[in-house]
Amino acid sequence: SQQGEEDPQALSIQEGENATMNCSYKTSINNLQWYRQNSGRGLVHLILIRSNEREKHSGRLRVTLDTSKKSSSLLITASRAADTASYFCAPQRAAGRRALTFGSGTRLQVQP
Amino acid sequence: DTAVSQTPKYLVTQMGNDKSIKCEQNLGHDTMYWYKQDSKKFLKIMFSYNNKELIINETVPNRFSPKSPDKAHLNLHINSLELGDSAVYFCASSQDSGKGDTQYFGPGTRLTVL
Repeated sequence: SQQGEEDPQALSIQEGENATMNCSYKTSINNLQWYRQNSGRGLVHLILIRSNEREKHSGRLRVTLDTSKKSSSLLITASRAADTASYFCAPQRAAGRRALTFGSGTRLQVQP
Repeated sequence: DTAVSQTPKYLVTQMGNDKSIKCEQNLGHDTMYWYKQDSKKFLKIMFSYNNKELIINETVPNRFSPKSPDKAHLNLHINSLELGDSAVYFCASSQDSGKGDTQYFGPGTRLTVL
């Protein structure tokens, strides 16, 4: 299926540490997106990486994509308590289907 | 200004009732979606509309009927509510740029069926 699967399911770190979350998927993709969901809120788009890109940065976020391994990682550097949230990856196919398919996410807890 | 808004935020109702959830986006997007997030946090697509036309209809009971009066609105009507319908329902929108569809989500409607 197109669904991304995030790993680990839960991650607890101290403020200031880096957090790494992984995503694996099974089909070929056009792009892969990462979203954040704070408790009780909707998902917020973080970053989109295209299939011909290997790495992308946005502020404290770094995303990598390895299409040969069908995997992606999201690194949050110098984490803050406000980064506490669930993080979801969404691989997207090339054409036609616009809807995203999400896994159950990685629940990140940043301890102050 | 809220980009994607949903009403109500919370909905508690009895089994067998009929209820509606409303969604509006002011982003000028041409595609809107309804997703269902269950208790295990899996988020699944239910419907997608593009310019008021249904383009995705996943395996959803026909008790669920989406309606799009215009491309800025996508409502979800649910007949004969069941316990298993309890979940958080999210509306989202996107603009197809051909380079990937970043989606903008509403705050969600938490539906509890008693």
